[in-house]
Order: sequence, then structure tokens, then C-alpha cells
Amino acid sequence: SQQGEEDPQALSIQEGENATMNCSYKTSINNLQWYRQNSGRGLVHLILIRSNEREKHSGRLRVTLDTSKKSSSLLITASRAADTASYFCATDAGSGYSTLTFGKGTMLLVSP
Amino acid sequence: EAQVTQNPRYLITVTGKKLTVTCSQNMNHEYMSWYRQDPGLGLRQIYYSMNVEVTDKGDVPEGYKVSRKEKRNFPLILESPSPNQTSLYFCASRARYGNMETQYFGPGTRLLVL
Repeated sequence: SQQGEEDPQALSIQEGENATMNCSYKTSINNLQWYRQNSGRGLVHLILIRSNEREKHSGRLRVTLDTSKKSSSLLITASRAADTASYFCATDAGSGYSTLTFGKGTMLLVSP
Repeated sequence: EAQVTQNPRYLITVTGKKLTVTCSQNMNHEYMSWYRQDPGLGLRQIYYSMNVEVTDKGDVPEGYKVSRKEKRNFPLILESPSPNQTSLYFCASRARYGNMETQYFGPGTRLLVL
């Protein structure tokens, strides 16, 4: 069953602008992860935020997590054309080797 | 180099002809899984394996089989493929370090069933 739902489904911006994508989920989680996928290729892990964390940074990426609202956001600052890709959130709902559940993704297009 | 490999990368077959997509990881990960990706549906998990000889169904297991005889390999078997199994398939593996889990994906296998 799909847990994470990204919003918007598609986003088109100009280079240099910031891109914000949101993810909502339904059940309590252990951690939430964001992945990037270039067209037709495998997913690449970007960042993981634990349920007891509220914000995390990695380079131009900033992730926030609000467990009370069951939502997360991914901010890409100063976007580049090379950031064009689909972005997925994935939730890990339990301890041990639990299943990662992916949303449907946000397609980001960054125009030069 | 740490990686997950899949073969073949592209496959065109006909309905009912058994096929196997191989998956191998070189990171000594215990957990492996298969996903399919379809437009508008995102990634859906087919099967997963927590360790050798331990496998379990994901969200969409119908029409698929898996085996885990060795830690590094996790093949996906379609005994009698049908057109609705035309999709992009990803194998993934992951380790567990305390509370931190990162999943590594293979490059994908694009399957067309005629």
C-alpha cells in the first residue's frame, strides 16, 4: 500500500530558483528518506531523516519533518538544470528489516 | 565499487514464456527487494527477502516468484509472463546500521511482454 504521497506531481522552475516538494504519509514512521531518479534509471538515496529529527541539511538540500502533521518537505536551493529528475519520498514504518514504502514522486524540471 | 547489478537491462518477450531477471549486490547486505515502477503508480514492492532462504510478499506479488539461495543474489522469476507485467523493474538492497538505513538500487530492467 502506498504510504507517502508527494505534492506537487510536477514542478517546473528556472535555474537559480528554489524547489520545494512535499510528502505526506499516513502511519507513524521510524524514518523518512528522499530519493532521486533520473529518467528511467535507478533511484539514488539523497537524505534520511529520523522520526526524532525536525530538520536536516545536505549541501543544497534541506529536509524537514513534522511528525504531528505526518509530513515532510524537501527543499532544493539554487536549483540547476542537472537537478531535473523525479523525487520520491519513502517511509520506513517499523524497526528491524521493515519495508520502505514509496510515494508516486514529484517530477522536477529545471530550465536553464 | 558498491553496487547492485541487474540483468538483462532490456527484455522483450511473449506471453507465457518463462523468464528470470537476475539481481546481485556486492555489499553483503541482508535485505533485498524487488519493485516495479509504472506511470502514475510510483514504485510498488513485489517481494523482499530479509536473509538467505527468507522471502516474503510485498504489495504486488501475483505472477512473480523469487528465491534467495545466496546472500548476494535475489532473482525475480516470471513463470508465465503476461502483458500487464510490462514494466520497469528495480532490485534494491540495504544494510542496517543502528537506526540508519539506506537502500541501494540497481539500474533497472525494462520488460515488454507482447
